[in-house]
Amino acid sequence: ETGVTQTPRHLVMGMTNKKSLKCEQHLGHNAMYWYKQSAKKPLELMFVYNFKEQTENNSVPSRFSPECPNSSHLFLHLHTLQPEDSALYLCASSPGETSGPTDTQYFGPGTRLTVL
Amino acid sequence: AQTVTQSQPEMSVQEAETVTLSCTYDTSESDYYLFWYKQPPSRQMILVIRQEAYKQQNATENRFSVNFQKAAKSFSLKISDSQLGDAAMYFCAYRSEYSTSGTYKYIFGTGTRLKVLA
Repeated sequence: ETGVTQTPRHLVMGMTNKKSLKCEQHLGHNAMYWYKQSAKKPLELMFVYNFKEQTENNSVPSRFSPECPNSSHLFLHLHTLQPEDSALYLCASSPGETSGPTDTQYFGPGTRLTVL
Repeated sequence: AQTVTQSQPEMSVQEAETVTLSCTYDTSESDYYLFWYKQPPSRQMILVIRQEAYKQQNATENRFSVNFQKAAKSFSLKISDSQLGDAAMYFCAYRSEYSTSGTYKYIFGTGTRLKVLA
């Protein structure tokens, strides 16, 4: 257990559904990340938050909407997704700039999303 | 922009043998950090080892060690005495020394799937 949890672990949804992914970290970190992991591709960074403020949106389509109510929780709201959005969605956290050179990411187990 | 390349999509190693996974990267920065992460099947991605670019000494963690060649921009992972539990996807990652808005950007390779044969 690395201290980062994600729910649900598996999700199947239709293209017209609305669903949310949840990430929680118990490590006292300040930064949280959403990644998309597809087969044979590098991890794609989607969003970054620092102290609840979004610091990066990597040109992600608006059908993905992140929310970070506090430094421990991160959500990804999903709406009218496409089949090509099927992937493993990983959440990660790290101490952030306050840790300086020692900053290292810790990952959750991911949510396996299938869009029908 | 920085890039990370893992040219071996898949590798196999016999149990108890040694295997080396390759990683190259491109950057114009002089100080940065490199990581190897392990992602077992259906399990969480975990940090294996980390290397600071300003340190000449190669990092070592038990059976895992790296061969860091800064001039060649190469960062390979050596696994000694391979065990069945080492079977996983291994990702190489780069992190700039500099943060943006308080957070650091990590760049990952495509991964290498390691199979361990009994």
